[in-house]
Amino acid sequence: DIQMTQSPSSMSVSLGDTVTITCRASQDVGIYVNWFQQKPGKSPRRMIYRATNLADGVPSRFSGSRSGSDYSLTISSLESEDVADYHCLQYDEYPPTFGGGTKLELK
Amino acid sequence: QVTLKESGPGILQPSQTLSLTCTFSGFSLSTYGMGVGWIRQPSGKGLEWLANIWWDDDKYYNPSLKNRLTISKDTSNNQAFLKITNVDTADTATYYCARIIRGTGPFDYWGQGVMVTVSS
Repeated sequence: DIQMTQSPSSMSVSLGDTVTITCRASQDVGIYVNWFQQKPGKSPRRMIYRATNLADGVPSRFSGSRSGSDYSLTISSLESEDVADYHCLQYDEYPPTFGGGTKLELK
Repeated sequence: QVTLKESGPGILQPSQTLSLTCTFSGFSLSTYGMGVGWIRQPSGKGLEWLANIWWDDDKYYNPSLKNRLTISKDTSNNQAFLKITNVDTADTATYYCARIIRGTGPFDYWGQGVMVTVSS
């Protein structure tokens, strides 16, 4: 199985910060990475698909990028509604595998 | 408008079979390129993909649970199903179903999730 190593596992943030979360794939997964946001007690919400594409309705302060086997989700000018857990997913190869998750907490 | 909703038994005992239903609207599993996946999440932990089923009845399973999983669909009633045999406490989790579209990738819409507890 492809491993998605997500970092950091948690992050203490302030409103207005620029936040970057990274997943490193254990082998080439091309563009086939999604990012999901999950708030407490809620279902995940797809934010980014195919590594860099913003999902419908997602604010433009969210962006996805790729550098080699590293995939990043960046939130510019963090707002209170962005405080949540974030998960990456590779779907280049079965089984699809998620990263371990990143929990954003306000300082 | 796309919606999905999971239903299940809530609680069951070890060694029993878990049967889950995903009832959806706003799309059809008879349409080319459509699929439904199942994902679970133990409380406070990460997400684990379980299985996918496609419009053409192609099925994929997580190898770590393959022998225990069966995914199926009822196209006419807009439902997808997942069975997990011989459950134990490690199967205690919230179970989600989510839509997949070939080309744009998985899990653009999710159900609200159903909590399942395995306990004697």
